[in-house]
Amino acid sequence: GAGVSQSPSNKVTEKGKDVELRCDPISGHTALYWYRQSLGQGLEFLIYFQGNSAPDKSGLPSDRFSAERTGGSVSTLTIQRTQQEDSAVYLCASSLRVTYEQYFGPGTRLTVT
Amino acid sequence: TQLLEQSPQFLSIQEGENLTVYCNSSSVFSSLQWYRQEPGEGPVLLVTVVTGGEVKKLKRLTFQFGDARKDSSLHITAAQPGDTGLYLCAGVGSGGSNYKLTFGKGTLLTVNP
Repeated sequence: GAGVSQSPSNKVTEKGKDVELRCDPISGHTALYWYRQSLGQGLEFLIYFQGNSAPDKSGLPSDRFSAERTGGSVSTLTIQRTQQEDSAVYLCASSLRVTYEQYFGPGTRLTVT
Repeated sequence: TQLLEQSPQFLSIQEGENLTVYCNSSSVFSSLQWYRQEPGEGPVLLVTVVTGGEVKKLKRLTFQFGDARKDSSLHITAAQPGDTGLYLCAGVGSGGSNYKLTFGKGTLLTVNP
């Protein structure tokens, strides 16, 4: 069956521009998670959704970062006024229920020039 | 803040050799997971260890959870080139944070033929 998909796979943007990263979770998975993976920092939790609600946004690095989920399915992570330190791989994961095994997508590699 | 320290950070060995990767924390997690990540892909769950002192085997991979549930190790016997990848340990939060994974920075393993 289809796994978690993310788009785009690569994104190069200029400093100061806004970007949107998309995640399509596995069908039927109620929980969705965003992580950021960067050199030196490893994999960091950003935010998770239960349905369309985000009970924990504590990992979002700044107010330039926001995320939403609609229809209990697709999620979008938006980064406004991108900075060079935002360059990283952004990974999305989904699970059938919260605390169940998380299945990761291939990630979006964001490069801010 | 709960932190996981992994060692070594890099490991390059010859096919057929044995190796051990360590994951240590100053905090107790409800359980600990090991993932493997290949280039351009998201992490894939290998195993979850829950009970202090637990040992799990997955073919040539042996996972141990420390008695105090603060450290874990991954031992690979007779490594093969197909074992090459980034190995990540992740602690699962407890109580109200049981959805949150805290990752170590990973061990990049290269097995040379």
